[in-house]
Amino acid sequence: GAVVSQHPSRVICKSGTSVKIECRSLDFQATTMFWYRQFPKQSLMLMATSNEGSKATYEQGVEKDKFLINHASLTLSTLTVTSAHPEDSSFYICSAADRGQNTDTQYFGPGTRLTVL
Amino acid sequence: GENVEQHPSTLSVQEGDSAVIKCTYSDSASNYFPWYKQELGKRPQLIIDIRSNVGEKKDQRIAVTLNKTAKHFSLHITETQPEDSAVYFCAARGKTGRRALTFGSGTRLQVQP
Repeated sequence: GAVVSQHPSRVICKSGTSVKIECRSLDFQATTMFWYRQFPKQSLMLMATSNEGSKATYEQGVEKDKFLINHASLTLSTLTVTSAHPEDSSFYICSAADRGQNTDTQYFGPGTRLTVL
Repeated sequence: GENVEQHPSTLSVQEGDSAVIKCTYSDSASNYFPWYKQELGKRPQLIIDIRSNVGEKKDQRIAVTLNKTAKHFSLHITETQPEDSAVYFCAARGKTGRRALTFGSGTRLQVQP
């Protein structure tokens, strides 16, 4: 089946630093990837839709200058949390749909747990 | 935008019993409804999905039903086992062209051995 990887799986950083999270589709091409944030014991909240070769589409309330998204190829999207603060600590998960197959099914990465001190 | 409500928030059943989780959605144009299982600290795993042109779908012990008129869909797990214990999320994909999913709030299922 389709596999999506994320790196790193866990990161701890100081307040004010920037953190980059990578999301890769390993065995398929993804025109579109999605970034979600999940707080403890809560649901997945869509942050933005990452489109290959074009600007990301951000959900209402998500600061695009704080959460920079780059989708440089059909297999890689990156999320950079700039000037991270403790309230940005969360579980960040990406997902992707296989452009060549059933375009409905989304496959999720394993997530990145970000802790900002 | 799309709004998905999920009930119950927690569900405890005895091993071998059935479990039912219900979701409602607001966007009548929604056409795809997946269910995900998430274990603690892990990624959501797709367990079953249904499209708006189908009323019911079954895969072994898991089934999903969809009522488009009432805008609700349900997950049914029969013969539950302890390894079914997890958080289950329903989701809906809204208007055409917007492929992002809107998730329900989740149901924590506990299967007691």
